Amino acid sequence: AQTVTQSQPEMSVQEAETVTLSCTYDTSENNYYLFWYKQPPSRQMILVIRQEAYKQQNATENRFSVNFQKAAKSFSLKISDSQLGDTAMYFCAFTTLIGGTSYGKLTFGQGTILTVHP
Amino acid sequence: GAVVSQHPSWVICKSGTSVKIECRSLDFQATTMFWYRQFPKQSLMLMATSNEGSKATYEQGVEKDKFLINHASLTLSTLTVTSAHPEDSSFYICSARETAGINQPQHFGDGTRLSIL
Repeated sequence: AQTVTQSQPEMSVQEAETVTLSCTYDTSENNYYLFWYKQPPSRQMILVIRQEAYKQQNATENRFSVNFQKAAKSFSLKISDSQLGDTAMYFCAFTTLIGGTSYGKLTFGQGTILTVHP
Repeated sequence: GAVVSQHPSWVICKSGTSVKIECRSLDFQATTMFWYRQFPKQSLMLMATSNEGSKATYEQGVEKDKFLINHASLTLSTLTVTSAHPEDSSFYICSARETAGINQPQHFGDGTRLSIL
């Protein structure tokens, strides 16, 4: 069974600064996918970024980037130039492929509440 | 694109009532949908995987007779909380995985806040 661990229940950062959220996972699979989801106070789940395990290059989406360390089973999220709208709960998630084409069910970490202060 | 509509967004009802929550994929077909439960400031807990035209697969510890799931079409899955009690009060979220294409992420609905009095 796969497990995902987020060891930071809460984090805070000043607007315009950079913050890094940690995530570790445990799996015996070799081909898998990792995600970061954002859940703002509206509680809608928003996909922030995803990483394929077979890709060595770290994924980047505008101000969001990941540091994927496959050997260490670590998948951290860096948010640069933090904005007030980044205030949300962030979830790290893991999945494998089903039938080689479809993502399977997601396993979520416990979540990190990020507050961006003006 | 890839919009998932969940209805209702908020429901309050008396103990003993059955409540149905709908999850619709508006602009894509979804063979598979997922139902989650979330308590305040906690993670999403997968309750069951819903497959069109077949029985849902429930996670360990989830009562299938309590949480009835029906996935009768490629765009609609429903979750019925039968004989709801206060302990069933929670936030329920559905997600849908596109049938077409490969490596399609799950698209989430906006959730349903269920309050049982």
